[in-house]
Amino acid sequence: DVKVTQSSRYLVKRTGEKVFLECVQDMDHENMFWYRQDPGLGLRLIYFSYDVKMKEKGDIPEGYSVSREKKERFSLILESASTNQTSMYLCASSLREVYTEAFFGQGTRLTVV
Amino acid sequence: DQQVKQNSPSLSVQEGRISILNCDYTNSMFDYFLWYKKYPAEGPTFLISISSIKDKNEDGRFTVFLNKSAKHLSLHIVPSQPGDSAVYFCAASGRGTSYGKLTFGQGTILTVHP
Repeated sequence: DVKVTQSSRYLVKRTGEKVFLECVQDMDHENMFWYRQDPGLGLRLIYFSYDVKMKEKGDIPEGYSVSREKKERFSLILESASTNQTSMYLCASSLREVYTEAFFGQGTRLTVV
Repeated sequence: DQQVKQNSPSLSVQEGRISILNCDYTNSMFDYFLWYKKYPAEGPTFLISISSIKDKNEDGRFTVFLNKSAKHLSLHIVPSQPGDSAVYFCAASGRGTSYGKLTFGQGTILTVHP
């Protein structure tokens, strides 16, 4: 079974803190993604990586950065957390093909206070 | 610019009846479409997909229909069961996008009443 594992289910951080969300996949997928889910807005892509050290901005990259030093691991970094970054964060991975599905982790509910 | 739209935020259906969830897209480069199901506090799970060379794909109780000229797809669930209650997202990708990158709609909350 494909497994995408996010390091935390729930996180509470203070405004201004630097926050790291970690994601690991075990299927040797080239692509990895970070989405956030907010009610009424669906899943919005923050960043996307198609290879080690390669990244592309998604639809809402402001306030975020990413790191992919190893193929199986993709980290999302909130440089200075703000309350409007309170959300459900979802990591996903897929093959680098057009006609393929993405596999998601269980999500991290981040609350910034 | 929302390239994939699910205009119904919610849908309520009686157990045993048909559930129809709708999705529209604007990007004509999209040629692969997927539906995901999401329970609270879990990640989305893949349900069914369709490529643009087809207009229908079935998997058990789930059927996806694609109308390319209208840029519209729908997911039919027959018969609906209480365990189908979840948020459903449609997603799209295509050769004009980065390979494997999915664009999602806003989601529709389906509630199936016993």
